Amino acid sequence: DAKTTQPPSMDCAEGRAANLPCNHSTISGNEYVYWYRQIHSQGPQYIIHGLKNNETNEMASLIITEDRKSSTLILPHATLRDTAVYYCIVRVYGGSQGNLIFGKGTKLSVKP
Amino acid sequence: EAGVAQSPRYKIIEKRQSVAFWCNPISGHATLYWYQQILGQGPKLLIQFQNNGVVDDSQLPKDRFSAERLKGVDSTLKIQPAKLEDSAVYLCASSYWTLLGDNEQFFGPGTRLTVL
Repeated sequence: DAKTTQPPSMDCAEGRAANLPCNHSTISGNEYVYWYRQIHSQGPQYIIHGLKNNETNEMASLIITEDRKSSTLILPHATLRDTAVYYCIVRVYGGSQGNLIFGKGTKLSVKP
Repeated sequence: EAGVAQSPRYKIIEKRQSVAFWCNPISGHATLYWYQQILGQGPKLLIQFQNNGVVDDSQLPKDRFSAERLKGVDSTLKIQPAKLEDSAVYLCASSYWTLLGDNEQFFGPGTRLTVL
């Protein structure tokens, strides 16, 4: 079973920031937080991952609370093309110890 | 850089028939995964290969599903015989491997299977 809890759906206005929350209260010390998204009729796409520090890349920012029990994915300027299901996953980095266990994710709808 | 290729994109069969899916991972990626995604759910791992060896097949229904990666590159997933509940999208993913283990996974577009 997935070790994360996400809201089933969210709306966001185009051009505004989209903040997607994720709870992972049972995360272990060696587990990372990963975010993937899946646009309709496509395979999932990697967005970002982090351990405890905040991370930023060209797609998004990841904010992890100090106790690591929750995180927020931020899309700074959402566009219509960001409409997708967003999955928050916790896993051990590398090896065969932690493959991706997907939950149902958050369906983000970006509206004009 | 070419992505993960899968074929066919769509397949419709009747129950008890056989079907095979093909996957070509990104060049140089040693790790290959097959996932099953039922409508409305997240993908579920079926099997993981490291080169041509199986790392994890604990969730593969081995009475009807089989997979191989003979030369450590392309892979085939087979269902024989198919059941109605096998209707799903079958996703292939690959990742490169370092001494720290595997990294982010790159997914193909998937094969949508409908069993009638």
